[in-house]
Amino acid sequence: EAQVTQNPRYLITVTGKKLTVTCSQNMNHEYMSWYRQDPGLGLRQIYYSMNVEVTDKGDVPEGYKVSRKEKRNFPLILESPSPNQTSLYFCASTEAGDTQYFGPGTRLTVL
Amino acid sequence: SQQGEEDPQALSIQEGENATMNCSYKTSINNLQWYRQNSGRGLVHLILIRSNEREKHSGRLRVTLDTSKKSSSLLITASRAADTASYFCATADSSYKLIFGSGTRLLVRP
Repeated sequence: EAQVTQNPRYLITVTGKKLTVTCSQNMNHEYMSWYRQDPGLGLRQIYYSMNVEVTDKGDVPEGYKVSRKEKRNFPLILESPSPNQTSLYFCASTEAGDTQYFGPGTRLTVL
Repeated sequence: SQQGEEDPQALSIQEGENATMNCSYKTSINNLQWYRQNSGRGLVHLILIRSNEREKHSGRLRVTLDTSKKSSSLLITASRAADTASYFCATADSSYKLIFGSGTRLLVRP
């Protein structure tokens, strides 16, 4: 089954404690991206990757890092999380700009 | 940056009625997509319409695109309680980046 998986689905952490949210897709898509969703602001792109070892900033990249060492994986790293990064995060992948497939979301709370 | 702006922000209708949501955007697009989200859950892709298309159907869904007015509409016919969700339009340019609107919250009353 074609899918995008994210882990963890829920995470409560404290300010400054490094964390990683994993994302994996099984569709051999080249393009992957991360979004955050906040009430009243919709979904905003954090980072994207056009292919292995190629990443670039989206609209709200501050405080985040990503890596793309393998085609299927695109982890989101928060080196020093802060409360303003409390949000719902989605990973997505697509091929050739067609339908984007979204993961189930990771609800992150930073205390 | 938000590109698509949905209208209305919220819509409440009776089961069986049609629901129409509109989306406006600002820049040139490659395609426009509509997604559904149930209460903070994942996004479900509904339909994609390309910039050279004017209308598309999928089951009870009908999407139109007017590139001259930079607008799109989503029509859900014969609505059901299970259609209650938030609906988002998202535009994609040649870089594959999706820019989402803030969504329309649809409530279908049984």
